[in-house]
Amino acid sequence: AQTVTQSQPEMSVQEAETVTLSCTYDTSESDYYLFWYKQPPSRQMILVIRQEAYKQQNATENRFSVNFQKAAKSFSLKISDSQLGDAAMYFCAYRSGDSNYQLIWGAGTKLIIKP
Amino acid sequence: ETGVTQTPRHLVMGMTNKKSLKCEQHLGHNAMYWYKQSAKKPLELMFVYNFKEQTENNSVPSRFSPECPNSSHLFLHLHTLQPEDSALYLCASSQVGAASTQYFGPGTRLLVL
Repeated sequence: AQTVTQSQPEMSVQEAETVTLSCTYDTSESDYYLFWYKQPPSRQMILVIRQEAYKQQNATENRFSVNFQKAAKSFSLKISDSQLGDAAMYFCAYRSGDSNYQLIWGAGTKLIIKP
Repeated sequence: ETGVTQTPRHLVMGMTNKKSLKCEQHLGHNAMYWYKQSAKKPLELMFVYNFKEQTENNSVPSRFSPECPNSSHLFLHLHTLQPEDSALYLCASSQVGAASTQYFGPGTRLLVL
């Protein structure tokens, strides 16, 4: 069975600095998708970025980028120029490429932004 | 409204009450999901509907009863809940297909007394 591990329960970063959140996963599949979601205090789960396993290029969305290391089964999220609005819980999730649509979630990392 | 909406946003109910949670998506998706989010636990998938047909039921107790009348609406009927059912209930929608992305509603915070 697939598992997702986020080893950092909490991280803090100074405003305008860069922070990296770690995520590792365990799978025997070659076709899958990886996601980072953000959940601010408002509780709405918001997609930050997604990565297809078959793509070698790391996904990027503005200040958010991932470091996808398929062999190491690592999928870290880098947030550049951190802003106060980035404060939230960040969840890493895995989805198999077969007909099972279930997302496997990590436990989350709480990101604190220091002004 | 756009995206995925959920009502009510907050709900307090006694163990003998019957209530329903509503989810509506305005994204043209054909798959909808119910998740339970408890403190300090990963999200738990409860139910999945594809084209109005239930395709997943992750061993959810029968006191939770889902209903999907069409691809845009999803309900979760609640009856004789227990205090440990207190949690945030999230609805999501997506296109059918493993490559699709799930989009979430704001959730209903449920407290069972």
